[in-house]
Amino acid sequence: DVKVTQSSRYLVKRTGEKVFLECVQDMDHENMFWYRQDPGLGLRLIYFSYDVKMKEKGDIPEGYSVSREKKERFSLILESASTNQTSMYLCASSWAVLRPDTQYFGPGTRLTVL
Amino acid sequence: AQSVTQPDIHITVSEGASLELRCNYSYGATPYLFWYVQSPGQGLQLLLKYFSGDTLVQGIKGFEAEFKRSQSSFNLRKPSVHWSDAAEYFCAVGAGRDDKIIFGKGTRLHILP
Repeated sequence: DVKVTQSSRYLVKRTGEKVFLECVQDMDHENMFWYRQDPGLGLRLIYFSYDVKMKEKGDIPEGYSVSREKKERFSLILESASTNQTSMYLCASSWAVLRPDTQYFGPGTRLTVL
Repeated sequence: AQSVTQPDIHITVSEGASLELRCNYSYGATPYLFWYVQSPGQGLQLLLKYFSGDTLVQGIKGFEAEFKRSQSSFNLRKPSVHWSDAAEYFCAVGAGRDDKIIFGKGTRLHILP
């Protein structure tokens, strides 16, 4: 079974703090994704990585950065957290097959920025 | 660019009743289509997917979906729902040339006892 884990289920941070969200997958997937989920807006792609040290902006990259130093680990960084970044953050991974395929999701991190 | 619409934000059905969740997509070629389910406090789990071939696709937990090209639809069905089916359901569509998919805004399913 594919397993995608996220470092925290719940996180509370203060405005202006630097925040790291970690995601690890154990299936040797090339692709990894960070989404943000908000009520009524569904899932929106923040960043996508298709290989180590490779990344591509998604639909809402502003205020976020990512790091992928190892294949199994993909980090989302909020350089200076703001209250409008309070949300559920979901990580996913998939095989790189040059077409859309099943993405496997972690349980999510609910981030609150005060 | 491709897009996906789930017209119903909330749906309520009685336990044991049949279910149909609607999904419409916009894409010029044959899309890659997915249905995911998210139980409360959980990540998303794939229910089923359609890439090509038979337009009626069987998934896990007794769900099925039918691809109708003429209607640009990929509706999810279940003949008899159980209380444990209460969750949020997401339809998703992907284009052909990269690995990304776009998610609909979700339909929350409520089950009456």
